[in-house]
Amino acid sequence: AQKITQTQPGMFVQEKEAVTLDCTYDTSDQSYGLFWYKQPSSGEMIFLIYQGSYDEQNATEGRYSLNFQKARKSANLVISASQLGDSAMYFCAMSQGYNFNKFYFGSGTKLNVKP
Amino acid sequence: ETGVTQTPRHLVMGMTNKKSLKCEQHLGHNAMYWYKQSAKKPLELMFVYSLEERVENNSVPSRFSPECPNSSHLFLHLHTLQPEDSALYLCASSPNGESNYNSPLHFGNGTRLTVT
Repeated sequence: AQKITQTQPGMFVQEKEAVTLDCTYDTSDQSYGLFWYKQPSSGEMIFLIYQGSYDEQNATEGRYSLNFQKARKSANLVISASQLGDSAMYFCAMSQGYNFNKFYFGSGTKLNVKP
Repeated sequence: ETGVTQTPRHLVMGMTNKKSLKCEQHLGHNAMYWYKQSAKKPLELMFVYSLEERVENNSVPSRFSPECPNSSHLFLHLHTLQPEDSALYLCASSPNGESNYNSPLHFGNGTRLTVT
């Protein structure tokens, strides 16, 4: 069964506007972490933001915020004031671990920021 | 110096060649990972090493052979590959253990492999 679902293969946003990238996850564990990564065309995976399963407040990192709705098992990424450099693939991921951390990735959303 | 370094960045090899991908991390992490990223497909976890012991092997064909000589180095040995093995191969590291589930994976820049 798919652990992480990203239903938006591609998104367009106007420069300076906000955009929400959707992510839902599936787990029966109580302890887990949720992450978002950005992958520009150059290929490197850049860590953006983290939300722990016990965190009550939504995580924020600069222009990135994570809209965490635990009961709905969703962890949407909100990018405010989009910039041209935000154009990239965005991956949602979940980590669970006992002896080691196992990471599950979604299929990604391609974000295009229009000038 | 970057946290996770992969070499080479690009590799073109024939189906009968033998080559190796190298990954090195300077973050003091105990777990290292190989992922395969093909066009229009999710990242596929190939192997995980925790404290130099292989703890995950996701039904990867035997033409891919990992090696982890110590917690800082990870190799992926390649032999008799197929054209469908062409992909971006990403190495990553993370701290180990349940208490560290809040730590992100740190990725290298990847090796873009083309099999001709």
